[in-house]
Amino acid sequence: GQNIDQPTEMTATEGAIVQINCTYQTSGFNGLFWYQQHAGEAPTFLSYNVLDGLEEKGRFSSFLSRSKGYSYLLLKELQMKDSASYLCAVRDYKDSNYQLIWGAGTKLIIKP
Amino acid sequence: NAGVMQNPRHLVRRRGQEARLRCSPMKGHSHVYWYRQLPEEGLKFMVYLQKENIIDESGMPKERFSAEFPKEGPSILRIQQVVRGDSAAYFCASSPRGSNTGELFFGEGSRLTVL
Repeated sequence: GQNIDQPTEMTATEGAIVQINCTYQTSGFNGLFWYQQHAGEAPTFLSYNVLDGLEEKGRFSSFLSRSKGYSYLLLKELQMKDSASYLCAVRDYKDSNYQLIWGAGTKLIIKP
Repeated sequence: NAGVMQNPRHLVRRRGQEARLRCSPMKGHSHVYWYRQLPEEGLKFMVYLQKENIIDESGMPKERFSAEFPKEGPSILRIQQVVRGDSAAYFCASSPRGSNTGELFFGEGSRLTVL
């Protein structure tokens, strides 16, 4: 079956580093996305991984291990504006079609 | 280049009424996806459309829900005889190609409240 797991909520301190994990089970993996969603707003694209390894983009980095069905999003030098939900989504090829399977999101709370 | 435009942003309906949500994709995008999101929950896929075609409606309830993306005009998600459980945020996203592509571009969402 298809399944994505990520923690429901995390808390971190301004200026610190936080790692948000995502594990997945799919039959036809074809890439993993991270999106950021502020409360009441639309999700916005953060990163995309299809090969194993680390992709760095400024303060945000995303890691993928396909053999372990595992990814993480690393946020450095946390700012208050990073308080948001972080959604992990996996593209799965199934029934001759690509589908995006979404995790429930991790709500990140940044404290001063 | 305007982003994905959804309207109305907020819609209140009484049980049994119809809700009609509209989505205009980004310029140059011909693929539209509709998602539903309940508070504190993730996005649930509903339907994927191209112009005049429904590609995948596996996430859409069989009754009361329908979607279209005509040759001209916005995509429309229609919910007939709404019930309280239909209260949610409905997000539309578009992409320039089919599901083989990368990121989706989301609209701000339409928040439906059923009284």
